[in-house]
Amino acid sequence: DTGVSQDPRHKITKRGQNVTFRCDPISEHNRLYWYRQTLGQGPEFLTYFQNEAQLEKSRLLSDRFSAERPKGSFSTLEIQRTEQGDSAMYLCASRIYNEQFFGPGTRLTVL
Amino acid sequence: AQSVTQLDSQVPVFEEAPVELRCNYSSSVSVYLFWYVQYPNQGLQLLLKYLSGSTLVKGINGFEAEFNKSQTSFHLRKPSVHISDTAEYFCAVSDLAAGNMLTFGGGTRLMVKP
Repeated sequence: DTGVSQDPRHKITKRGQNVTFRCDPISEHNRLYWYRQTLGQGPEFLTYFQNEAQLEKSRLLSDRFSAERPKGSFSTLEIQRTEQGDSAMYLCASRIYNEQFFGPGTRLTVL
Repeated sequence: AQSVTQLDSQVPVFEEAPVELRCNYSSSVSVYLFWYVQYPNQGLQLLLKYLSGSTLVKGINGFEAEFNKSQTSFHLRKPSVHISDTAEYFCAVSDLAAGNMLTFGGGTRLMVKP
């Protein structure tokens, strides 16, 4: 499968715990995006990378959210001290030629 | 900054009937326009996109959309729907610079009934 992959697909955690999600983009796609989708809403942009450089992070929801893309390949999104309001689907996309290809998402449930 | 409004949160329609899902956008700059489909518990799949050129865009699964710059609209149409078209549909815009991040509408749930 050569599409965008995300791991894990589902994560259940307790409030206050840290979680980390991984995204593997389509190889040779230099741009990688993270979005959050809450129930019944459209996805909301969080951050993006061009290769290993994080070019926009002002839309990250709070300082508890951080993302990395070491070596310009896979990316991780970390949420520290999770809150119940963080429960959502976290989507990753990689881009080539003005088209973004989305992964299946990681569904986070914070108890 | 851009914004997208999908005017209908739900659209029920009978199988083999035509359907139109409405999308209006607001932007101070030129934009690219997209329609994505999302099946339950899955990511988003691109149906079609408008970048430039002909204002009538054809996509996968028999869908098409028309870009109307004066009305800032990008409505999605299909002449005859199938049960398998039941899904959530999202309209999105991105500007031509600034990273091309997507701004999405709230989505329209298409419910095809037998």
